[in-house]
Amino acid sequence: KNQVEQSPQSLIILEGKNCTLQCNYTVSPFSNLRWYKQDTGRGPVSLTIMTFSENTKSNGRYTATLDADTKQSSLHITASQLSDSASYICVVSAPSSNTGKLIFGQGTTLQVKP
Amino acid sequence: GAGVSQSPSNKVTEKGKDVELRCDPISGHTALYWYRQSLGQGLEFLIYFQGNSAPDKSGLPSDRFSAERTGGSVSTLTIQRTQQEDSAVYLCASSFSGSGGMSTGELFFGEGSRLTVL
Repeated sequence: KNQVEQSPQSLIILEGKNCTLQCNYTVSPFSNLRWYKQDTGRGPVSLTIMTFSENTKSNGRYTATLDADTKQSSLHITASQLSDSASYICVVSAPSSNTGKLIFGQGTTLQVKP
Repeated sequence: GAGVSQSPSNKVTEKGKDVELRCDPISGHTALYWYRQSLGQGLEFLIYFQGNSAPDKSGLPSDRFSAERTGGSVSTLTIQRTQQEDSAVYLCASSFSGSGGMSTGELFFGEGSRLTVL
């Protein structure tokens, strides 16, 4: 069964600290992996998209890594800010000519405290 | 438009009533998705459109739920005889699909329609 598991479920850190969020998936075959940020009451916003051939991709203070062999991805946030408080969702896409279904993780809720 | 637009942003209805939720995707995006997100939960896939057809509607929870898309653009999600468990945020997303129907592009989400069934 295609699954995406994220950890931790929630995380609290102090402003200015770094943190790393984990995503493990069993989706196979695999097309790409995406990280989204969802602020409370808003729609998710894309942070990064990586294909199986990419190992790392950065977007400002956000750096995503991907190990397609172990089926693991991480999202590293550097020098956290209060505005980073949000839910971070890992999404894996399985190639298909008929469906566009994306497999969503349950998300990690990050709270950055001053 | 500049982004994915959803309406209404908030809808409060009584149990048993029908509701329609609208999604206006980004111009030129051929793929359109509907998701449901209950409070504190992850996104639940409902239906996927490629153009006006729905190759995957496996996520619709019951026959009270239906969706259509016209002109390869606007989509409407209809919930008939609403129940309290239908209360959730309904999110729409669109993307530019690559060849073969695969959605390889970035997914853009609307702000959602929050449905409350009393």
